[in-house]
Amino acid sequence: DAGITQSPRHKVTETGTPVTLRCHQTENHRYMYWYRQDPGHGLRLIHYSYGVKDTDKGEVSDGYSVSRSKTEDFLLTLESATSSQTSVYFCAISLTSGGAYEQYFGPGTRLTVT
Amino acid sequence: AQSVTQLDSHVSVSEGTPVLLRCNYSSSYSPSLFWYVQHPNKGLQLLLKYTSAATLVKGINGFEAEFKKSETSFHLTKPSAHMSDAAEYFCVVKDAGNMLTFGGGTRLMVKP
Repeated sequence: DAGITQSPRHKVTETGTPVTLRCHQTENHRYMYWYRQDPGHGLRLIHYSYGVKDTDKGEVSDGYSVSRSKTEDFLLTLESATSSQTSVYFCAISLTSGGAYEQYFGPGTRLTVT
Repeated sequence: AQSVTQLDSHVSVSEGTPVLLRCNYSSSYSPSLFWYVQHPNKGLQLLLKYTSAATLVKGINGFEAEFKKSETSFHLTKPSAHMSDAAEYFCVVKDAGNMLTFGGGTRLMVKP
């Protein structure tokens, strides 16, 4: 257990509505990440943060925004949800970015957009 | 650019027999390599990692992997499968920065 919680764990929403997913960590790690997991694709990076108010885009950032106002919280927002954003979303943390420092993953949020 | 190919999307073994999950990678740098396991409806758990200290890496639950630079491979093995090993396994490559690239995953099924 790497001290990562995600909320909500499950959500069903309608197309066009905004959705915010929360990742909370208790380890005071500098780096936080949001991934989505889809069958056959492994995990793909959406956005990441390297400090409070410091964020950058990942591989599949279109349609998503993030915010990090506190070290422990990293929010992922879908401004206007689409069916293609139905997925399982994982948050991850790492102590640093370099070398072989591994990432630790939260339990995931299953999002269904109808 | 880096990439990871897991050569089998599904592997089925009998309990007590060896497990081999294959992974090939490409990277412009000397990479770090990881294997993660995901049990149904769970998050990802780190099995082992390669950090250039030793080519044969031992992980949790009896798993190990061998880094072969000449073959750009990092295959995961276990001498004897248990029912509890049934899960999805991800090979992951990390370059000098903080970006992970995941393989597509291999689902391991263990028959009694």
